[in-house]
Amino acid sequence: EPEVTQTPSHQVTQMGQEVILRCVPISNHLYFYWYRQILGQKVEFLVSFYNNEISEKSEIFDDQFSVERPDGSNFTLKIRSTKLEDSAMYFCASRGQGVETQYFGPGTRLLVL
Amino acid sequence: SQQGEEDPQALSIQEGENATMNCSYKTSINNLQWYRQNSGRGLVHLILIRSNEREKHSGRLRVTLDTSKKSSSLLITASRAADTASYFCATENQAGTALIFGKGTTLSVSS
Repeated sequence: EPEVTQTPSHQVTQMGQEVILRCVPISNHLYFYWYRQILGQKVEFLVSFYNNEISEKSEIFDDQFSVERPDGSNFTLKIRSTKLEDSAMYFCASRGQGVETQYFGPGTRLLVL
Repeated sequence: SQQGEEDPQALSIQEGENATMNCSYKTSINNLQWYRQNSGRGLVHLILIRSNEREKHSGRLRVTLDTSKKSSSLLITASRAADTASYFCATENQAGTALIFGKGTTLSVSS
Protein backbone atom coordinates (compact mmCIF):
# COMPACT_ATOMS: atom_id res chain seq x y z
CA GLU A 1 0.00 0.00 0.00
CA PRO A 2 1.42 3.41 -0.94
CA GLU A 3 2.46 5.60 1.95
CA VAL A 4 3.87 9.01 2.72
CA THR A 5 7.51 8.92 3.73
CA GLN A 6 9.55 11.52 5.59
CA THR A 7 13.26 12.07 6.15
CA PRO A 8 15.04 12.35 8.42
CA SER A 9 13.17 10.63 11.23
CA HIS A 10 15.07 12.70 13.78
CA GLN A 11 17.00 15.94 13.46
CA VAL A 12 18.94 17.83 16.09
CA THR A 13 20.05 21.36 15.27
CA GLN A 14 21.39 24.46 16.94
CA MET A 15 19.22 27.53 17.37
CA GLY A 16 19.57 29.84 14.39
CA GLN A 17 20.43 27.07 11.95
CA GLU A 18 18.41 26.27 8.86
CA VAL A 19 16.71 22.91 8.55
CA ILE A 20 14.98 21.23 5.64
CA LEU A 21 12.48 18.50 6.30
CA ARG A 22 11.68 16.24 3.41
CA CYS A 23 8.56 14.38 2.44
CA VAL A 24 7.63 12.10 -0.42
CA PRO A 25 3.83 12.18 -0.77
CA ILE A 26 1.82 9.36 -2.27
CA SER A 27 2.58 9.43 -5.97
CA ASN A 28 -0.77 10.40 -7.50
CA HIS A 29 -1.75 12.84 -4.78
CA LEU A 30 -2.11 16.51 -5.59
CA TYR A 31 -2.64 18.18 -2.22
CA PHE A 32 0.17 18.42 0.31
CA TYR A 33 0.28 19.55 3.90
CA TRP A 34 2.60 20.15 6.81
CA TYR A 35 1.50 19.88 10.43
CA ARG A 36 3.43 19.99 13.66
CA GLN A 37 2.91 18.57 17.12
CA ILE A 38 4.75 19.98 20.09
CA LEU A 39 5.38 17.27 22.65
CA GLY A 40 2.22 16.50 24.60
CA GLN A 41 0.09 18.91 22.61
CA LYS A 42 -2.32 18.66 19.73
CA VAL A 43 -1.50 18.49 16.07
CA GLU A 44 -1.41 21.97 14.51
CA PHE A 45 -1.86 22.85 10.85
CA LEU A 46 0.99 24.76 9.26
CA VAL A 47 0.41 24.97 5.52
CA SER A 48 -1.34 23.40 2.56
CA PHE A 49 -0.01 23.33 -0.99
CA TYR A 50 -1.68 22.66 -4.33
CA ASN A 51 -0.74 23.31 -7.93
CA ASN A 52 2.68 24.61 -6.92
CA GLU A 53 1.43 27.25 -4.58
CA ILE A 54 0.34 27.68 -0.99
CA SER A 55 -3.42 27.25 -0.56
CA GLU A 56 -3.62 28.11 3.10
CA LYS A 57 -1.25 28.83 5.95
CA SER A 58 -1.68 29.24 9.66
CA GLU A 59 -0.40 31.95 11.96
CA ILE A 60 2.45 29.64 12.90
CA PHE A 61 3.72 29.62 9.32
CA ASP A 62 5.58 32.92 9.42
CA ASP A 63 8.40 34.24 7.25
CA GLN A 64 10.83 31.75 8.78
CA PHE A 65 8.98 28.90 7.08
CA SER A 66 8.80 28.02 3.43
CA VAL A 67 7.65 25.05 1.39
CA GLU A 68 8.73 23.79 -1.97
CA ARG A 69 8.02 21.00 -4.40
CA PRO A 70 11.41 20.89 -6.10
CA ASP A 71 10.58 17.96 -8.35
CA GLY A 72 7.75 15.58 -9.11
CA SER A 73 8.12 13.58 -5.94
CA ASN A 74 9.47 15.63 -3.02
CA PHE A 75 7.77 18.20 -0.83
CA THR A 76 9.97 20.10 1.60
CA LEU A 77 9.54 22.34 4.62
CA LYS A 78 12.35 24.75 5.34
CA ILE A 79 12.82 26.61 8.59
CA ARG A 80 15.31 29.39 7.94
CA SER A 81 16.50 30.21 11.42
CA THR A 82 15.31 27.73 13.98
CA LYS A 83 14.15 28.73 17.45
CA LEU A 84 13.87 26.63 20.57
CA GLU A 85 10.09 26.66 20.24
CA ASP A 86 10.32 25.03 16.80
CA SER A 87 11.14 21.76 18.56
CA ALA A 88 8.29 19.46 17.62
CA MET A 89 7.26 16.51 15.51
CA TYR A 90 6.58 17.63 11.96
CA PHE A 91 4.13 15.65 9.87
CA CYS A 92 3.67 15.73 6.15
CA ALA A 93 0.35 14.64 4.65
CA SER A 94 -1.06 14.24 1.18
CA ARG A 95 -4.47 13.84 -0.36
CA GLY A 96 -5.72 12.70 -3.72
CA GLN A 97 -8.07 14.56 -6.05
CA GLY A 98 -11.70 14.14 -5.00
CA VAL A 99 -10.71 12.36 -1.80
CA GLU A 100 -11.31 13.81 1.65
CA THR A 101 -8.83 11.71 3.61
CA GLN A 102 -5.35 13.02 4.29
CA TYR A 103 -2.62 10.41 4.63
CA PHE A 104 0.11 11.22 7.09
CA GLY A 105 3.77 10.36 7.10
CA PRO A 106 5.57 9.00 10.19
CA GLY A 107 6.94 12.41 11.11
CA THR A 108 10.29 14.07 11.68
CA ARG A 109 11.19 14.81 15.26
CA LEU A 110 13.05 18.13 15.33
CA LEU A 111 14.99 19.17 18.40
CA VAL A 112 16.43 22.68 18.51
CA LEU A 113 19.13 23.24 21.12
CA SER B 1 -12.05 28.36 16.15
CA GLN B 2 -13.31 25.17 14.63
CA GLN B 3 -11.25 22.76 16.70
CA GLY B 4 -12.62 19.43 17.72
CA GLU B 5 -12.20 18.92 21.42
CA GLU B 6 -12.22 15.42 22.80
CA ASP B 7 -13.23 14.05 26.12
CA PRO B 8 -12.21 12.34 28.22
CA GLN B 9 -8.55 13.36 28.04
CA ALA B 10 -7.56 9.92 29.28
CA LEU B 11 -9.38 6.61 29.46
CA SER B 12 -8.21 3.36 31.03
CA ILE B 13 -10.11 0.13 30.44
CA GLN B 14 -9.66 -3.62 30.49
CA GLU B 15 -9.38 -5.75 27.38
CA GLY B 16 -12.76 -6.73 26.08
CA GLU B 17 -14.48 -3.60 27.32
CA ASN B 18 -15.83 -0.90 25.04
CA ALA B 19 -14.22 2.51 24.82
CA THR B 20 -16.16 5.65 23.99
CA MET B 21 -14.54 8.95 23.14
CA ASN B 22 -16.40 12.16 22.42
CA CYS B 23 -15.56 15.16 20.31
CA SER B 24 -17.17 18.58 20.11
CA TYR B 25 -16.64 21.29 17.57
CA LYS B 26 -17.81 24.84 17.08
CA THR B 27 -18.68 25.63 13.48
CA SER B 28 -20.26 24.00 10.45
CA ILE B 29 -18.32 21.12 8.99
CA ASN B 30 -18.15 19.15 5.77
CA ASN B 31 -16.88 16.09 7.53
CA LEU B 32 -15.33 14.90 10.76
CA GLN B 33 -12.46 12.45 10.86
CA TRP B 34 -10.91 10.30 13.55
CA TYR B 35 -7.21 9.54 13.65
CA ARG B 36 -5.13 7.31 15.85
CA GLN B 37 -1.57 7.95 17.00
CA ASN B 38 0.63 5.42 18.71
CA SER B 39 3.13 6.96 21.08
CA GLY B 40 5.65 9.06 19.18
CA ARG B 41 4.44 7.82 15.82
CA GLY B 42 2.47 9.13 12.86
CA LEU B 43 -1.26 9.62 12.49
CA VAL B 44 -3.35 6.83 11.06
CA HIS B 45 -6.72 7.64 9.55
CA LEU B 46 -9.50 5.57 11.07
CA ILE B 47 -12.80 6.77 9.75
CA LEU B 48 -14.52 9.75 8.15
CA ILE B 49 -18.13 10.73 8.61
CA ARG B 50 -19.77 13.35 6.42
CA SER B 51 -22.07 16.02 7.73
CA ASN B 52 -25.11 14.35 6.19
CA GLU B 53 -24.35 11.02 7.86
CA ARG B 54 -25.37 10.08 11.38
CA GLU B 55 -23.55 6.84 11.96
CA LYS B 56 -20.80 4.86 10.34
CA HIS B 57 -19.15 1.53 11.09
CA SER B 58 -15.76 0.13 10.25
CA GLY B 59 -14.83 -3.17 11.88
CA ARG B 60 -14.88 -2.63 15.63
CA LEU B 61 -15.27 1.13 15.20
CA ARG B 62 -18.55 2.97 15.31
CA VAL B 63 -18.74 6.70 14.79
CA THR B 64 -21.77 8.89 15.32
CA LEU B 65 -22.29 12.48 14.36
CA ASP B 66 -24.86 14.89 15.74
CA THR B 67 -24.62 18.12 13.80
CA SER B 68 -27.31 19.78 15.92
CA LYS B 69 -25.14 19.31 18.99
CA LYS B 70 -21.90 19.69 17.04
CA SER B 71 -20.57 16.50 18.52
CA SER B 72 -19.27 13.11 17.50
CA SER B 73 -18.41 9.94 19.32
CA LEU B 74 -16.04 7.11 18.54
CA LEU B 75 -16.82 3.72 20.00
CA ILE B 76 -14.27 0.93 19.96
CA THR B 77 -15.90 -2.35 20.82
CA ALA B 78 -14.19 -5.35 22.42
CA SER B 79 -10.99 -3.41 22.96
CA ARG B 80 -7.57 -5.01 22.75
CA ALA B 81 -4.24 -4.05 24.27
CA ALA B 82 -3.15 -3.07 20.76
CA ASP B 83 -5.80 -0.34 20.76
CA THR B 84 -3.71 1.57 23.28
CA ALA B 85 -3.01 4.89 21.59
CA SER B 86 -4.14 8.50 21.38
CA TYR B 87 -7.26 9.21 19.37
CA PHE B 88 -7.93 12.56 17.73
CA CYS B 89 -10.93 14.00 15.98
CA ALA B 90 -10.32 16.48 13.20
CA THR B 91 -12.56 18.80 11.25
CA GLU B 92 -11.83 20.54 7.99
CA ASN B 93 -11.53 24.32 8.09
CA GLN B 94 -14.12 26.27 6.15
CA ALA B 95 -11.83 26.66 3.16
CA GLY B 96 -11.46 22.89 3.06
CA THR B 97 -7.69 23.27 2.97
CA ALA B 98 -6.67 22.07 6.44
CA LEU B 99 -7.59 19.71 9.24
CA ILE B 100 -8.07 21.17 12.67
CA PHE B 101 -7.31 18.65 15.38
CA GLY B 102 -8.55 18.35 18.92
CA LYS B 103 -6.33 17.63 21.89
CA GLY B 104 -7.02 13.93 21.79
CA THR B 105 -8.02 11.13 24.14
CA THR B 106 -5.30 8.84 25.43
CA LEU B 107 -6.67 5.32 25.63
CA SER B 108 -4.95 2.67 27.68
CA VAL B 109 -6.18 -0.91 27.39
CA SER B 110 -4.75 -3.35 29.86
CA SER B 111 -4.78 -7.11 29.51
